[in-house]
Amino acid sequence: SQKIEQNSEALNIQEGKTATLTCNYTNYSPAYLQWYRQDPGRGPVFLLLIRENEKEKRKERLKVTFDTTLKQSLFHITASQPADSATYLCALDSGSNYQLIWGAGTKLIIKP
Amino acid sequence: EAQVTQNPRYLITVTGKKLTVTCSQNMNHEYMSWYRQDPGLGLRQIYYSMNVEVTDKGDVPEGYKVSRKEKRNFPLILESPSPNQTSLYFCASGDSVYEQFFGPGTRLTVL
Repeated sequence: SQKIEQNSEALNIQEGKTATLTCNYTNYSPAYLQWYRQDPGRGPVFLLLIRENEKEKRKERLKVTFDTTLKQSLFHITASQPADSATYLCALDSGSNYQLIWGAGTKLIIKP
Repeated sequence: EAQVTQNPRYLITVTGKKLTVTCSQNMNHEYMSWYRQDPGLGLRQIYYSMNVEVTDKGDVPEGYKVSRKEKRNFPLILESPSPNQTSLYFCASGDSVYEQFFGPGTRLTVL
């Protein structure tokens, strides 16, 4: 069955640097992959969706790449700020129109 | 303001006492879903609804019930809660499974 792997260790980045988070999947290539942000005690917030035929997608300081050969998506935050500190969740399609497979998330800490 | 609301936000209850967590959305979304989130685990889907009167089981439906009598509401019912249902629960809605909007969460403790 499909599994998602996100780094369970927190990622510490200096303010102003680029933060890069990884989402690896183990089985079939999903038709799309989504990234969400979650702050402590709050619900996830949708950030970006990338489809399998898209190599890269950008939104302001955010960039997502999708490499179906490596079975991996990278999520980049450029010019990182302390306000970017949060847990970032990766989710991909399960083959069903109504269900996603979710990663456990990676905690990002941006230090001033 | 477009939002998904959940009530209560926090609940401490005892084993076996029936409870309902309400979820309401004001975005006219057809798709709604319930998730639970436990430390170290990804979001796990409990139930989802594709439209009014249409619901289906997610990955962890045991011990839960749902109903979708109106488009905006999707309550989660625990008829006989047990301690292993202690968790953080999220309701979400969307035009589809893409770009879901999440509620603020309900932290449930079952003693």
